[in-house]
Amino acid sequence: AQSVAQPEDQVNVAEGNPLTVKCTYSVSGNPYLFWYVQYPNRGLQFLLKYITGDNLVKGSYGFEAEFNKSQTSFHLKKPSALVSDSALYFCAVRDPQGLSGGSYIPTFGRGTSLIVHP
Amino acid sequence: EAGVAQSPRYKIIEKRQSVAFWCNPISGHATLYWYQQILGQGPKLLIQFQNNGVVDDSQLPKDRFSAERLKGVDSTLKIQPAKLEDSAVYLCASSLGLENTEAFFGQGTRLTVV
Repeated sequence: AQSVAQPEDQVNVAEGNPLTVKCTYSVSGNPYLFWYVQYPNRGLQFLLKYITGDNLVKGSYGFEAEFNKSQTSFHLKKPSALVSDSALYFCAVRDPQGLSGGSYIPTFGRGTSLIVHP
Repeated sequence: EAGVAQSPRYKIIEKRQSVAFWCNPISGHATLYWYQQILGQGPKLLIQFQNNGVVDDSQLPKDRFSAERLKGVDSTLKIQPAKLEDSAVYLCASSLGLENTEAFFGQGTRLTVV
């Protein structure tokens, strides 16, 4: 079965510093990988995705993520954090070939709370 | 472009009562998802529709949960009877199709079962 791990419940960073939110995954085939952000009392908003091609993916609001197949990771990064980036971040994986237990459904991680201090 | 609409935003019911949630996806989106998000956890997919057909409902507790998308547009999710552990935010999402992989989410319905 496919799975996603976000090893940190919370990440704290000072405004202006670089940030990294970690994500590792497990699927049988080649993965589709996503990052979503959730602000308080709001639905999830899509940030970026990796389907194929360049391992470095650029997304909304200056975020980027690097797909590392050997480490089965898809960490979210931003060079300079803003206080307004404080939110809950979710990594998700989908097996488009249905090799992970025959399911095509996307699986989300537990989420990482990012807190950016002024 | 209008987003995914959900109603109600909040609902409080007693256990063993029934409840229904409504979702209207983004116009033209063929794929519709219902997720359950329990506090402190990531969203868990309950059911996925492609037009008016079910693609996957393997994680839907079918003894109490049901969902339909009769005309392939809006959808309802029902719980009958509700249990305390059903307290969660129910998120609806839509995407253009099965291969258009990013989903757009509604604001969700926060259900509290007391």
